Amino acid sequence: GAVVSQHPSWVICKSGTSVKIECRSLDFQATTMFWYRQFPKQSLMLMATSNEGSKATYEQGVEKDKFLINHASLTLSTLTVTSAHPEDSSFYICSARATLTDALSGEQYFGPGTRLTVT
Amino acid sequence: GQQVMQIPQYQHVQEGEDFTTYCNSSTTLSNIQWYKQRPGGHPVFLIQLVKSGEVKKQKRLTFQFGEAKKNSSLHITATQTTDVGTYFCKDNFNKFYFGSGTKLNVKP
Repeated sequence: GAVVSQHPSWVICKSGTSVKIECRSLDFQATTMFWYRQFPKQSLMLMATSNEGSKATYEQGVEKDKFLINHASLTLSTLTVTSAHPEDSSFYICSARATLTDALSGEQYFGPGTRLTVT
Repeated sequence: GQQVMQIPQYQHVQEGEDFTTYCNSSTTLSNIQWYKQRPGGHPVFLIQLVKSGEVKKQKRLTFQFGEAKKNSSLHITATQTTDVGTYFCKDNFNKFYFGSGTKLNVKP
């Protein structure tokens, strides 16, 4: 089946620094990728949707300049948390959708997530 | 904005008992998906429902989509410890909103 990887799986950074999270589709080309954030014991919140080669579409309330998303290729999307603060500590999960068939079936393939802790 | 609520928030059952989680939307859904997330894991796609009144089965899991396409349910017959996790419904229209989730705990 389709596999999505994320790197790193966990990261600890100091307040004020930037962190880049990579999301890769390993055995398929992902035309659309999604970035979610999940706080402990809460549901997943969609942050942004990105299509390869175009600017990401951010959800209301998500700061574009703080959460930089790049989808430069059909197998890689990156999320950069700039000037991170403790309140940005969360579980960040990406998902990918591949073909028209997936779009019709609705299936998304999720990465294992990245746990970010900002101290 | 559109909200997708799930009830109950938590459910503790004895192994072998049945379990049901309900998903309710404030607006009509184009289609709905169900996901399972194990503790510490990521969501895994279970199924998508598209048609009004649709019912789909996967072994012990039965998924239903309401006639008005504003609600959906997931029913597990004779739960097993492997069913432990959080079950999310998700709107799959133009906004990919997850429901609030129902955390299932199964006691052996």
